[in-house]
Amino acid sequence: SQQGEEDPQALSIQEGENATMNCSYKTSINNLQWYRQNSGRGLVHLILIRSNEREKHSGRLRVTLDTSKKSSSLLITASRAADTASYFCATDGGIQGAQKLVFGQGTRLTINP
Amino acid sequence: DTEVTQTPKHLVMGMTNKKSLKCEQHMGHRAMYWYKQKAKKPPELMFVYSYEKLSINESVPSRFSPECPNSSLLNLHLHALQPEDSALYLCASSQDPGVFSYEQYFGPGTRLTVT
Repeated sequence: SQQGEEDPQALSIQEGENATMNCSYKTSINNLQWYRQNSGRGLVHLILIRSNEREKHSGRLRVTLDTSKKSSSLLITASRAADTASYFCATDGGIQGAQKLVFGQGTRLTINP
Repeated sequence: DTEVTQTPKHLVMGMTNKKSLKCEQHMGHRAMYWYKQKAKKPPELMFVYSYEKLSINESVPSRFSPECPNSSLLNLHLHALQPEDSALYLCASSQDPGVFSYEQYFGPGTRLTVT
């Protein structure tokens, strides 16, 4: 299965702390994406990193990609209560499977005030 | 407008009913997707439409029937569902991937309960 694994499954931190989530995958990819989902709602795209990139930033988000280890991490700095959500990584199927995104199991992040 | 809309928000149907889920986007995207999501699980791809043609069917049972009447609309027709089909159904759209995938824009979903 191409499906990615994420760890931790759940993470609870204090507001203002940094949160790090990890994602591992199994097959070759073109891009890896991170999405956020608030409880029972649609997913919101956060960041896309291409296979030839190693690091990408967007506001308080920092994503790294290590294709040799088939892994990625998402760092949220200076967390806020509004960051409470589930976070999913998603990988495509490389050149033969760009249309198909496969989501990891997700990390449930809770930010405590 | 970067919004994907889905109707209805909630749907309760019996196992003998026929209903349809609707999805609409006006971003000019030529790829549209249906996902199924069970509680505390990731979304699972069901169907992909590219330029109004079905390009991926992830071995979905025939009681789910997708339709793409035009480039802005995507329907999912439901018939003779089972209780285990109860889930959040998400629609998404993106630029047509071609060789490289793009960010997908998701609707808020339809919460389906089959009784």
